[in-house]
Amino acid sequence: SQTIHQWPATLVQPVGSPLSLECTVEGTSNPNLYWYRQAAGRGLQLLFYSVGIGQISSEVPQNLSASRPQDRQFILSSKKLLLSDSGFYLCAWSVSGASNQPQHFGDGTRLSIL
Amino acid sequence: DAKTTQPPSMDCAEGRAANLPCNHSTISGNEYVYWYRQIHSQGPQYIIHGLKNNETNEMASLIITEDRKSSTLILPHATLRDTAVYYCIVRLFTSNTGKLIFGQGTTLQVKP
Repeated sequence: SQTIHQWPATLVQPVGSPLSLECTVEGTSNPNLYWYRQAAGRGLQLLFYSVGIGQISSEVPQNLSASRPQDRQFILSSKKLLLSDSGFYLCAWSVSGASNQPQHFGDGTRLSIL
Repeated sequence: DAKTTQPPSMDCAEGRAANLPCNHSTISGNEYVYWYRQIHSQGPQYIIHGLKNNETNEMASLIITEDRKSSTLILPHATLRDTAVYYCIVRLFTSNTGKLIFGQGTTLQVKP
């Protein structure tokens, strides 16, 4: 069966520091991959999605970037964190080539910026 | 993607069926209905999805009205662990972005 892993689960970072969050999927090949952010008490906002290695699409302009160095690895990064980057970051995957298939989420990383 | 309307909160007695309604009156013919739930501090969990036929899996049943303007998620025997925020989402199945738009959802409280 397929599994998705995100780490770390919790992260506290100072303003201006860099960020790297990692997500990996097991048990499937060439998945679609997604990064979402959920601000406190708000809905999920899609940040990036990827349909293949090196293929990244950004949904909203922001202080973050994403990369997909391997088929089942998706990384969210920032060079300098802002206070507004605080939130709950979620990685998700779905079967490629079948856009009606559901997305499956990891357990998320709760990021606090001080 | 069509918008959805859900009641903000509902209660259900443990062991009873929980029926969560969703209104999606502007849904178009090729948009699917998805249900997710989110337990506090966890990622959303996929429950079920459908286009126009009723669907059932090990977690729940999805009943979609004939005109597709509304649907109901049924948890047949609710337990305390089913307490969560439930989201109803409609999405174009040909959507290139695959973006899921989560609304405010329904907070289901299962009570002993």
